[in-house]
Amino acid sequence: AQSVAQPEDQVNVAEGNPLTVKCTYSVSGNPYLFWYVQYPNRGLQFLLKYITGDNLVKGSYGFEAEFNKSQTSFHLKKPSALVSDSALYFCAVSNRDDKIIFGKGTRLHILP
Amino acid sequence: DSGVTQTPKHLITATGQRVTLRCSPRSGDLSVYWYQQSLDQGLQFLIQYYNGEERAKGNILERFSAQQFPDLHSELNLSSLELGDSALYFCASSVWTGAEAFFGQGTRLTVV
Repeated sequence: AQSVAQPEDQVNVAEGNPLTVKCTYSVSGNPYLFWYVQYPNRGLQFLLKYITGDNLVKGSYGFEAEFNKSQTSFHLKKPSALVSDSALYFCAVSNRDDKIIFGKGTRLHILP
Repeated sequence: DSGVTQTPKHLITATGQRVTLRCSPRSGDLSVYWYQQSLDQGLQFLIQYYNGEERAKGNILERFSAQQFPDLHSELNLSSLELGDSALYFCASSVWTGAEAFFGQGTRLTVV
C-alpha cells in the first residue's frame, strides 16, 4: 500500500532564507510524486511532479523538489522564501494506475 | 481556476439527513477523486472513478456512496449524517489514473 509521511506539522522560516519541507514515501514500483499547496479557504493547487528523469524537478512559484530513491524522499525546496509562500503544503504519491495518496500536510510560516 | 467545478460551496444540514455533492471534472479528464479534509485528519482519500467505473476505494464509510455518470461528472452521496461528517469535501480530476490531479474549491459541509 502507498503511504506518505510529512514529519513536520509546521515549518518556520525567515523571509529570504531557503526553505525545505520534508516528505518521505512508500510505494511499490516506481513512484509518481507530487507537491500541492493550499491557501486558506481554497482548493489544493498543483505545484510540481516527479515521474521519471532528472531527480531535481522545478515547479511553480520558484519551488523545486529533489527525488532521492535510496532515501525514498521527495523534499520541497525554495532558495529564498517569500511571506506569500505561507500556506499548507501537501506531498502526494501515486503508483501508475493507482490512486493518489496525500500526506497530512505541513504548515509553512514565512516570518517577515 | 483549476477547471474543476464543485457545487454547492457550502451546505448546512441536520444530523440524520442526506446530501449530494456534485463535481464536474476538467474537460478531457477521465479520472475523478473524492477527498475529505478535516482539521485533525488531513486529506483522506475516499473513492476514485475512471471513465465511469469505480477504480479505488479508500476510507469511505458505508453511509457514503458515489458514482460517475456517462458525461463524467460525479456525485458523492452522504446519508445518515453525523456531526463528525462536518468537513471540507474535495473533488479532483486527472487525465488518467496516477497523473497529477486538479482540485475543485471544495464543498464545506456543516452538520448541526
